[in-house]
This record gives sequence, C-alpha cells and structure tokens, in this order.
Amino acid sequence: QQPVQSPQAVILREGEDAVINCSSSKALYSVHWYRQKHGEAPVFLMILLKGGEQKGHEKISASFNEKKQQSSLYLTASQLSYSGTYFCGILYSSASKIIFGSGTRLSIRP
Amino acid sequence: DARVTQTPRHKVTEMGQEVTMRCQPILGHNTVFWYRQTMMQGLELLAYFRNRAPLDDSGMPKDRFSAEMPDATLATLKIQPSEPRDSAVYFCASGEDWDTQYFGPGTRLTVL
Repeated sequence: QQPVQSPQAVILREGEDAVINCSSSKALYSVHWYRQKHGEAPVFLMILLKGGEQKGHEKISASFNEKKQQSSLYLTASQLSYSGTYFCGILYSSASKIIFGSGTRLSIRP
Repeated sequence: DARVTQTPRHKVTEMGQEVTMRCQPILGHNTVFWYRQTMMQGLELLAYFRNRAPLDDSGMPKDRFSAEMPDATLATLKIQPSEPRDSAVYFCASGEDWDTQYFGPGTRLTVL
C-alpha cells in the first residue's frame, strides 16, 4: 500500500521552515527520503529504521514515529536549493520492496 | 566520482517495436533497481537484482517486459512489443541492499 504524503505541495519564502509527513496504514520497517529536481533523477537524503530515531543532513532532518506509523521530514531555514519534489519510500519488512509516496512539491521563493 | 550510467537518454519508437535500455551500476554495489516514473503513477519499482540474481520483478508486466543482468557491469530492461502506455522515464539505481540508492540520469521513452 502506497504511503500518504502531506502536504501535496508547499510554497515557502527563503529562510522559512517546512515539515513533510509520510504516513502508512501498516507498521514500518524503514523509511527512505529522496529529493528530485525537475528533469533530474531522485537524490538520496536519508534512511530511518524503526526505533524512533532522528537523522540529520545539513539543515534537513527526519524522524520516525513507530506508534504513529509515520515519518516526518524537517527543513529548517530553507534555501532556494531545497526546491524540488520530496518522496518518501517505505519498506514494511526487510524482505519487502520499497513503495514510494506520490511526492510533496516544495517551492522556495526569494 | 562514481555514477550510474544509462543509455540511451532518450528514445522515441513506434508501437510494437522492441526497446532495450541499458544501465551500468556503480562498481561494487550489490543491488540494482529498475524504476519507472510517470506523472500518473509516480515512481514505481519494476524489478531488482542482488548479486546479479533477480529477486523481485513483480512490478513489471511479464508478458512484455524482461530484465536481465548478464554481468556485474550491465543491467538491461527490454520491452517487446512496446505500447504507448509504456511511455515514461525509466531509472536504474544501484546500491548496497536497501541502503542508499544512487539513481542514474534515466531514459525518457516515448512510444508513438
């Protein structure tokens, strides 16, 4: 089952913060986050394994809430380079295959 | 700077023709993935290999699609016969198991 991402789109001014959520109807094994710029390939951001850990990458971090079956991606003090579509991909077990959400389009304006 | 390479980058063909897409994964990666991306369906996993063995190809239409990995430096995805609904961007990615996946630039396929 495809994870649900919210919001579908968000527009920010440079320097503002954003949160993108990825929700599942079943227990998750891991969550993967990717960013894709228009006309380019997806680029890996981070992976989170079940356990509620939080990871960081520059000013982009993410959390994994096992109880809520949800992961959130946090972008702080957004930069123009953060624009793109963010996808979460989930695995339900170590033996399952990845299923991607439909993406969240993030636009950053100067 | 190791990268995944894909050829061709663009392909326009007519319905019914055979299409072959090629991918050279990053040396040392044990897992190779094939994805298809369309506006309607988003990013879909078609098939993946680990240590050159096909592990899952349930994401692709078996009657017309086939994926192979003849050696560690080459993965292929074939469509025969192609149909207009196959028009999409096809990405190859490689990595270590389900860890970081490095995507190639993609093959944009248009079937007329």
